[in-house]
Amino acid sequence: TQLLEQSPQFLSIQEGENLTVYCNSSSVFSSLQWYRQEPGEGPVLLVTVVTGGEVKKLKRLTFQFGDARKDSSLHITAAQPGDTGLYLCAGLVGGADGLTFGKGTHLIIQP
Amino acid sequence: GAVVSQHPSWVICKSGTSVKIECRSLDFQATTMFWYRQFPKQSLMLMATSNEGSKATYEQGVEKDKFLINHASLTLSTLTVTSAHPEDSSFYICSPRRRSYEQFFGPGTRLTVL
Repeated sequence: TQLLEQSPQFLSIQEGENLTVYCNSSSVFSSLQWYRQEPGEGPVLLVTVVTGGEVKKLKRLTFQFGDARKDSSLHITAAQPGDTGLYLCAGLVGGADGLTFGKGTHLIIQP
Repeated sequence: GAVVSQHPSWVICKSGTSVKIECRSLDFQATTMFWYRQFPKQSLMLMATSNEGSKATYEQGVEKDKFLINHASLTLSTLTVTSAHPEDSSFYICSPRRRSYEQFFGPGTRLTVL
């Protein structure tokens, strides 16, 4: 059972465009993380959101946690080729389980 | 910081052999260790969870006799793929978690079984 639905799965856009990646679930998460992964490497944490309605910014990346803590979004402004990678959302249900990952969004930014 | 190392980073083995992957948390103590597997173009799938000194808990569909996990200390965990077959070829990632429930990830081990 896929607890976290991520969309889109693949996205290829031109440099300078904006994009949004969505992460949805029927479960309530105590916290939700966004990761970026390069080929052949482990995921690198971008941000953790814990409060419903929370918005965090990381340069051109804006992360939002839904009010009900069941969904989240990642918005990239003026995408650059260096943003290319696999973006993963992951949630923690309760305190004892490991992170559950969405299927990921493969993002390609073309120069 | 939180530094996690995995060894080896890349291994090729013949079908039927066993491969051991080490995961070390270099600057913190990992009370819990998670092992994930990632196939090409796919996301991370949790294989098992282990607490230091305890037996690992395996996710549904993961054979405990095939994927042996040892978490003997707070800084070291190992995953042994026994009698590896080509379908076991994958990217294996360890993820230690410390008491604050922060979960970190190793750089991964690429296993190719011929």
